[in-house]
Amino acid sequence: EVQLVQSGAEVKKPGESLKISCQASGYTLTDYWIDWVRQVPGKGLEWMGMIYPGDSDTRYSPSFQGQVTISADNSISTVYLQWSRLKASDTGIYFCARPRRMHHYYDAFNIWGQGTSVTVSS
Amino acid sequence: QSVLTQPPSVSGAPRQRVTISCSGSGSNVGSNTVNWYQQLPGKAPKLVVYYDDLLPSGVSDRFSGSKSGTSASLAISGLQSEDEADYYCAAWDDGLNGMVFGGGTKLTVL
Repeated sequence: EVQLVQSGAEVKKPGESLKISCQASGYTLTDYWIDWVRQVPGKGLEWMGMIYPGDSDTRYSPSFQGQVTISADNSISTVYLQWSRLKASDTGIYFCARPRRMHHYYDAFNIWGQGTSVTVSS
Repeated sequence: QSVLTQPPSVSGAPRQRVTISCSGSGSNVGSNTVNWYQQLPGKAPKLVVYYDDLLPSGVSDRFSGSKSGTSASLAISGLQSEDEADYYCAAWDDGLNGMVFGGGTKLTVL
């Protein structure tokens, strides 16, 4: 079964760093892009960026460029989303998602992780 | 403010048909395919329509999608209580070089 399993909920203080994960199983990580999508409580979905683990090609939404870093560790089929200095406005649920077709970054997301809740509060 | 525009809410009685609109521009809906996602409370989004009007395996044929120019629509016929959810449209945007979403539409089954 193809699935994405994300790390657990996090509660952090402003200024702290954080790295959350998304582990893929049931397929070859390096064949598909993996995207990250944010959902602020009670709000809609926002695309943050994506990575192609096959060659580490990484692209960001202008809204998130410089605010987060997306990376991958192919040896453990895991993609990461990290912050160096969290802000209260980073509070939200973060989903990783995989497109339908391999190598295609603009395709529909048919596989989603369960989401990771991140709360940033002093 | 979302790049794609959806109505905040729609409602319908059981067994009725509802449609949800999604308005974009030439750089997204007008030049790329539209996908629709259903999000139940507390759950991850689920793909219900892709490539404008195709249904993934396992999705009820009560769902249908269409597109004309820079606007797309999701229709749900024979409404059931289990359809009550938030629905999002999405498309690749050639100008932003990224995926853009609509603000979401809350469907209430009366």
